[in-house]
Amino acid sequence: AQSVTQLGSHVSVSEGALVLLRCNYSSSVPPYLFWYVQYPNQGLQLLLKYTSAATLVKGINGFEAEFKKSETSFHLTKPSAHMSDAAEYFCAVSEGGATNKLIFGTGTLLAVQP
Amino acid sequence: DAGVTQSPTHLIKTRGQQVTLRCSPISGHKSVSWYQQVLGQGPQFIFQYYEKEERGRGNFPDRFSARQFPNYSSELNVNALLLGDSALYLCASSFQRGNTGELFFGEGSRLTVL
Repeated sequence: AQSVTQLGSHVSVSEGALVLLRCNYSSSVPPYLFWYVQYPNQGLQLLLKYTSAATLVKGINGFEAEFKKSETSFHLTKPSAHMSDAAEYFCAVSEGGATNKLIFGTGTLLAVQP
Repeated sequence: DAGVTQSPTHLIKTRGQQVTLRCSPISGHKSVSWYQQVLGQGPQFIFQYYEKEERGRGNFPDRFSARQFPNYSSELNVNALLLGDSALYLCASSFQRGNTGELFFGEGSRLTVL
């Protein structure tokens, strides 16, 4: 069965510092992987997705993620944090098959300090 | 263009009552999915409907039911409410049925059960 694990429920960085949010997956088939962001009192917005094309995936707002099969990882990075990046971030894996069911991790709350 | 719209945005119920949540997908999207997000956790898949038929069901009791109408809007019903049903209920629409399409989320309906 597919699953994702997000290491670190809370991450705090200074404005301008590197952002690194960790996600490891477990999948019995080649996975489709996603990162979503949730701002307070809002729904989820797709940042980026990996669907077996290039292993380095670029998303919105300067975020990118690298698919590493050998490490079963799909970590999210951004070179320079901005105050507006403060939000909760969710990694998700598609269950596959004929549905678009996503299995989400428990989330990482990113705080950006001035 | 309007995004995914959900109603009501907030509601309070007491144990044993029933609740109906509504969702209008993005125009042209034929797939609607429902997720439950308990405070501090990632969203959990409840149902997917595509072309008015149930295409996927998560690990939720039979108290949870849903349907999709000819205009592709959807309702989620929860009977015999329990305290543990308190959560943010998210609706997501997509154009495709399968696992490569992007899910577009609404802002959710926050249910509090007293």
